[in-house]
Amino acid sequence: NAGVTQTPKFQVLKTGQSMTLQCAQDMNHNSMYWYRQDPGMGLRLIYYSASEGTTDKGEVPNGYNVSRLNKREFSLRLESAAPSQTSVYFCATRFFEGTYNEQFFGPGTRLTVL
Amino acid sequence: QKEVEQNSGPLSVPEGAIASLNCTYSDRGSQSFFWYRQYSGKSPELIMSIYSNGDKEDGRFTAQLNKASQYVSLLIRDSQPSDSATYLCALKTSYDKVIFGPGTSLSVIP
Repeated sequence: NAGVTQTPKFQVLKTGQSMTLQCAQDMNHNSMYWYRQDPGMGLRLIYYSASEGTTDKGEVPNGYNVSRLNKREFSLRLESAAPSQTSVYFCATRFFEGTYNEQFFGPGTRLTVL
Repeated sequence: QKEVEQNSGPLSVPEGAIASLNCTYSDRGSQSFFWYRQYSGKSPELIMSIYSNGDKEDGRFTAQLNKASQYVSLLIRDSQPSDSATYLCALKTSYDKVIFGPGTSLSVIP
C-alpha cells in the first residue's frame, strides 16, 4: 500500500502560472486535507473534504481551489501563482473509529514561485 | 488570537532530561487533541492523541489535557538525541477541521 501520495514532489513556477497539485490515497479514508507549511508557521489548513463531493475552506483558502474527484483523490489548484504561495504543501487523510482518530500525511510538494 | 499557540522555541534539553512542550487553544468546543513529531524535511507523524482531561502515558511520552484551562502539554522523559525534531500540537475543532499550532523545535544535547 502506498498510503498517501503527492505529485509532483518539486515544482518551480513563474508568477501568474497555474498548476494543480495531485493527492491520492489508498487507505479508504473519507476525510482529506490540504495544508501549507512555511518556516515558523506550522501547518496551516487550506481546504478540507469530509467526504466525496464535499469541500470546506480552512484557515488560508485565498488563491486556491480544490476538487474532491472521488474518494481517493483530492487536488489543489493554484489559478495564478504568486510568490507568497511559495511553500511546502502537504496532503493528509484522516482515519477515525469511535473516539480514535489520526491523520496520515503525504511526502509533501515543495513549490517555489518566482 | 491564533487558534492554537505554542512556544516556538528552540527548546534545548540535555540527554536524559525531561522535555516539556506546551500548547494552548481558543476553541472550547475542541474535543480531540494531538501531538505530531516532524523531522526536518519529513512529514508529520502522530505520537500521541488525547481526548479527555488528565494524563495519558505511552512509553516515554505523557500527554496532559486540561479543557477548563484550554491547555495541552507533552512530556518526554529520558530525552534522546533522536527526539530532536519539531513538535506540532493539533486539534480537531467542529465538524472535520483539524488545525495545527506553529510547532516547537526541540534539541536534545548529548
